[in-house]
Amino acid sequence: DTAVSQTPKYLVTQMGNDKSIKCEQNLGHDTMYWYKQDSKKFLKIMFSYNNKELIINETVPNRFSPKSPDKAHLNLHINSLELGDSAVYFCASSLGQQPSTDTQYFGPGTRLTVL
Amino acid sequence: GDSVTQMEGPVTLSEEAFLTINCTYTATGYPSLFWYVQYPGEGLQLLLKATKADDKGSNKGFEATYRKETTSFHLEKGSVQVSDSAVYFCALSPNAGGTSYGKLTFGQGTILTVHP
Repeated sequence: DTAVSQTPKYLVTQMGNDKSIKCEQNLGHDTMYWYKQDSKKFLKIMFSYNNKELIINETVPNRFSPKSPDKAHLNLHINSLELGDSAVYFCASSLGQQPSTDTQYFGPGTRLTVL
Repeated sequence: GDSVTQMEGPVTLSEEAFLTINCTYTATGYPSLFWYVQYPGEGLQLLLKATKADDKGSNKGFEATYRKETTSFHLEKGSVQVSDSAVYFCALSPNAGGTSYGKLTFGQGTILTVHP
């Protein structure tokens, strides 16, 4: 059973397009996250949601819009894609009861390539 | 703000060699500290963690001790295997509340390659 799943695994698209990445967790966790990993493997948090409420919103262009329809899903929509958006995007989840010590469980990643 | 610095990689070792990957941090108060590992083509998974000073985290032969006096959380393994080849990330999570609660700040990652 996949704990945190993301679709699609690979996404190749043209500059200026709009695309979405979906994430689902079946762990019963309350908190979900989006991270961006650049070509040098550096990971940076973008957003987190706790029970569908936005908690962390880092300095991310407003072309990126997260949406949480329920606490098991956190989707990422990106408008007007740019070359610099090419990266691997990871979804993660955690229990949410002790955020500072909770283990975060990561999905397999979505490799986005903008041409 | 919070930051994590890891030793530069890549690190290349022979099987059964001793491994150390250095990690130091800058943070307010007493953060929780983590090591995550990313195997090729996969997402990150927790390797070990420590939530207070002098705690030692351990898993799969890896160990790290939370040293507040040196703000360090170095990862060690006595005898590495080929299957340990991966990218290792040191990370911290602030213990205070507020908008950073649960936010993981990662180091830059260290690529480890173990040869037979």
